[in-house]
Amino acid sequence: EAQVTQNPRYLITVTGKKLTVTCSQNMNHEYMSWYRQDPGLGLRQIYYSMNVEATDKGDVPEGYKVSRKEKRNFPLILESPSPNQTSLYFCASSLFVNTEAFFGQGTRLTVV
Amino acid sequence: TQLLEQSPQFLSIQEGENLTVYCNSSSVFSSLQWYRQEPGEGPVLLVTVVTGGEVKKLKRLTFQFGDARKDSSLHITAAQPGDTGLYLCAGRLSSGGTSYGKLTFGQGTILTVHP
Repeated sequence: EAQVTQNPRYLITVTGKKLTVTCSQNMNHEYMSWYRQDPGLGLRQIYYSMNVEATDKGDVPEGYKVSRKEKRNFPLILESPSPNQTSLYFCASSLFVNTEAFFGQGTRLTVV
Repeated sequence: TQLLEQSPQFLSIQEGENLTVYCNSSSVFSSLQWYRQEPGEGPVLLVTVVTGGEVKKLKRLTFQFGDARKDSSLHITAAQPGDTGLYLCAGRLSSGGTSYGKLTFGQGTILTVHP
C-alpha cells in the first residue's frame, strides 16, 4: 500500500532533549516536506527536499534540521526542543514539487 | 500576515444548504490546491487548479481559480454531514525563484454540517 509513515504518532519530551521524528515513503517520490499545524495558523512548511541531498528552508525552519540521505526517508530533527515547538507535525511526499502531496498521519509533539 | 487568507474560518450550517469558502492573496500563484482534513488524519487532496479562470467540479464541489491567479473559491452545493471537516487551500508562488519548492497553506476553514 502506497503510504507516508511517520513515527512516533505521539511524543512528550522535556526541553532540551534532542529528538528525531522519522518519515518514510514507499512511492519513490522525489519531493518531501515537513509541516507544523497550529490552531488558527493552518499548516506552515518547515523544510522541504526536492531530491536526495537537496534540502531547503520553508517558512518556519528555526529550531529544526532535516536530512535526505536516501530517497525514501526524510527525518525531522529537533536538536534542543523548546515548548514553542509543541505542535502537530506532518510529513508529506509527492512525485514532483507541483504534484499531489500525500501526507502522513501526523506526530503530536509536546515539549514540557 | 498570511500569504493566503481563507474565509470564513468557521462555518456551521444545516444539511442541504450551500456554502462558499474563499482563499485570497495579493500574490500570484502558479497553482492552487484544495485539501480536506479530518480529525486525526493528514490532509487529502481534493483538486489542483493551474489556469486563471479555471473551474473544476467534483460531484457537489465546485472549485474556481481567479482570472489573475491570486484567489480561489470552493463552493459546496447541498452540503451533507459527511462534508464536515477542515478545508485548506495551498499554493505555489508564480515568481518562485528560490522559493519554487515552497507550498503555502491558508489558515483553514472548519466546516460543520448539522443533520
